[in-house]
Amino acid sequence: DAKTTQPNSMESNEEEPVHLPCNHSTISGTDYIHWYRQLPSQGPEYVIHGLTSNVNNRMASLAIAEDRKSSTLILHRATLRDAAVYYCILMPTGTSGTYKYIFGTGTRLKVLA
Amino acid sequence: DSGVTQTPKHLITATGQRVTLRCSPRSGDLSVYWYQQSLDQGLQFLIQYYNGEERAKGNILERFSAQQFPDLHSELNLSSLELGDSALYFCASSQRDRPNEKLFFGSGTQLSVL
Repeated sequence: DAKTTQPNSMESNEEEPVHLPCNHSTISGTDYIHWYRQLPSQGPEYVIHGLTSNVNNRMASLAIAEDRKSSTLILHRATLRDAAVYYCILMPTGTSGTYKYIFGTGTRLKVLA
Repeated sequence: DSGVTQTPKHLITATGQRVTLRCSPRSGDLSVYWYQQSLDQGLQFLIQYYNGEERAKGNILERFSAQQFPDLHSELNLSSLELGDSALYFCASSQRDRPNEKLFFGSGTQLSVL
């Protein structure tokens, strides 16, 4: 399984943009990049995913490097509610039924008021 | 509310015992995933089922087993429990087993082995 590397922790001020990086240098051409977050005392929740192009949704934006070896999750205006652990995960296409959503250690985001 | 229901929310038991954790996926979801989260190990993928069949296996101990029933609910059985099995166990579901699927997680079952 391809690996991802994320910083252990980051801090941001409230109402400022946050850029959460993820390195995945061993990504293959057909691996999807997923982001999930886990708020305190809750199960993980889906944030966004993409393959090659940048993606936007109501929660965040995903910027994927041209060589796909890294990606960045962008929260446009951090709120206190965005304090969570953010996980970057690779999901390979391939033989159906062998998908394992492997979560790494993630980045703990602290939002300062 | 993710639509994924896990019961019980809390479970306290003793070493050597056996417990069953239950998961009801979102309506229409065919795939169920089980995860274990402990303080020192993070989120560990255990096993995945799709429409009743086992599809992927992670770091699941031999003392643990799971199944998905015809109504698509799933159960995770943990036996010969040890202190180290104390953890939060999450279930997630998705519509199919494709790499661009969104996973929806339940709120977890907190297992305490004393």
